Amino acid sequence: DGGITQSPKYLFRKEGQNVTLSCEQNLNHDAMYWYRQDPGQGLRLIYYSQIVNDFQKGDIAEGYSVSREKKESFPLTVTSAQKNPTAFYLCASSISENQPQHFGDGTRLSIL
Amino acid sequence: QKEVEQDPGPLSVPEGAIVSLNCTYSNSAFQYFMWYRQYSRKGPELLMYTYSSGNKEDGRFTAQVDKSSKYISLFIRDSQPSDSATYLCAMIYSYGKLTFGQGTILTVHP
Repeated sequence: DGGITQSPKYLFRKEGQNVTLSCEQNLNHDAMYWYRQDPGQGLRLIYYSQIVNDFQKGDIAEGYSVSREKKESFPLTVTSAQKNPTAFYLCASSISENQPQHFGDGTRLSIL
Repeated sequence: QKEVEQDPGPLSVPEGAIVSLNCTYSNSAFQYFMWYRQYSRKGPELLMYTYSSGNKEDGRFTAQVDKSSKYISLFIRDSQPSDSATYLCAMIYSYGKLTFGQGTILTVHP
């Protein structure tokens, strides 16, 4: 089945630790995105990538990093600099900019 | 002021009712409009996508866009308990950057 796969479903981070969230898509989409969802706040854009080896900061990029070495993969690292990382993280992709985005089922990150 | 305003509800209706969900926006540069449905602990699922003023219908769902009033709506006819979810409006104006409303929680009770 074509779609977006996020793993793991649940993740726990210790203080001072970096963690990486995986996002893989087999839709052959050029563009990929990372969002953070907090209760009552909708979705906020962390990073996006329109093409391999290129990415841009979104509205809340501080404390996060990404890479886009392959078209189908867009991993997100939550660094120790992100002081409030507890949230639901969603990855999305689209054929190109301005086309509808399709989402994975998210990773819920919590602090130990 | 937020770029996109959406009443968070919660909204509770009986089965079979017509549901009206709404968003207003402030930036007239928004060109593309979407509605997503999100079940608990799942990612948003695209319901409707439109880029012009007017109505677009898909089964029990109708999306309405009024660019002159900066107002979009989603109507659900013959609502079912399985429609219980959070509904998110979203809009694009450049570089695929989606701006979301905060979501409306809908419960359809039997």
